[in-house]
Parts: sequence; structure tokens; C-alpha cells
Amino acid sequence: DAGVTQSPTHLIKTRGQQVTLRCSPKSGHDTVSWYQQALGQGPQFIFQYYEEEERQRGNFPDRFSGHQFPNYSSELNVNALLLGDSALYLCASSRGAAGRQPQHFGDGTRLSIL
Amino acid sequence: KNEVEQSPQNLTAQEGEFITINCSYSVGISALHWLQQHPGGGIVSLFMLSSGKKKHGRLIATINIQEKHSSLHITASHPRDSAVYICGLEWAGSYQLTFGKGTKLSVIP
Repeated sequence: DAGVTQSPTHLIKTRGQQVTLRCSPKSGHDTVSWYQQALGQGPQFIFQYYEEEERQRGNFPDRFSGHQFPNYSSELNVNALLLGDSALYLCASSRGAAGRQPQHFGDGTRLSIL
Repeated sequence: KNEVEQSPQNLTAQEGEFITINCSYSVGISALHWLQQHPGGGIVSLFMLSSGKKKHGRLIATINIQEKHSSLHITASHPRDSAVYICGLEWAGSYQLTFGKGTKLSVIP
């Protein structure tokens, strides 16, 4: 039973470019959340997708956008990259419409902006 | 403002010691999560609890809703327990998790 898989594992971009990160949730999970983790900090919530809709969004600018596909996989897109976007991007999946569900995390995508 | 505080920030222990990591928060929550993050970034969910106490192997998590406080205990610590332990909160009426900065634990043989 595959867990949460993220791709790519590492990525290097330059300022102003655009990036797309991908996440496949754990089998049986239908909810995907994205987090940004800067070095030495806890993860920060970007947004959550359920039933192909953005259900909740954290305090991130519109440069951060996402999508969920009918097979529950998800993408995170970041436009006009800034140096401060360098971070580990984590995807977490869970099951069901309600909260209070265990979260299963992927290993993350490490994004470096030059 | 919804805040979560973890203590200590860093913890070094001798193998075999009993370890306690604390998490305090400011407003009502629907659930609290304890996570473990190893070097390289992978995160493992250890516990999700909304009341009382849970135990899994050498790990014990407790929560006191009235005092807005949770603790993660590790009994008979081992060097493989070395990791960052993160407390994450689900606020009432919200789907997002708000995380603390984490506690970096190093267990020395």
C-alpha cells in the first residue's frame, strides 16, 4: 500500500520562474493539504483540497495556487518565484469530509530558488 | 491569535532516559497531532488526540483540554528516537493544522 508520494524530490529554480509540484495521496484518501516548511520552522499551511475544490487557504499570496484531480492527486503551482519561496514543500493526505483525521505526509519537495 | 508553543526547543538526553516534550496553545482546539520529522524531511504522524491519553510502544501522548496543554513522553529513549518532534493543532471550525516550531531531540548512546 503506497503512502503519499511527492515529485520531484529536489528542484532548483531562479527568481521569477514558475514551478509545479505534484502529490499522490495515500490509497483511500481523498483530502490533500499542502504545507511550506522553511529551515528551522514548523510547516505552514498553504491550502487544502477536497472534492477538487480548495476548501481552506492559509496566509499565502495568490502566487500560490493548486488543483486536485478526480483521482485525488494534487498539484501546487507557484508563480513569480522569490528567494523566500525556498523551502521544503510537504503534502499531507487524509480521509473524509470531516476534520480530526490522521494526516499522512509525503517526504516533501525541496525547492531552492537562486 | 491562534498560537502554539513547544518546549524545550532543543533537548539532549542519554540513552535510556525518560523524555518529555510539551505543547501549549491559546484557544480551543478540535484535535492535537504529534509528528516526528527525521533529517531529510520525512514526517511521520505519531498521535492524534482530542482528550485523555494514548500510548504506542514507548511513546505516550497526553492532553489536558482545560489547561490547553499536551505532552509527549518517550520512555527508555534510544538514539533512533533522535528527530524533531512537532505539535500540530486543529483549531475548532478549521481544517488546517497549525504547527509549533518543533523540539529537536538528540539521544546520545
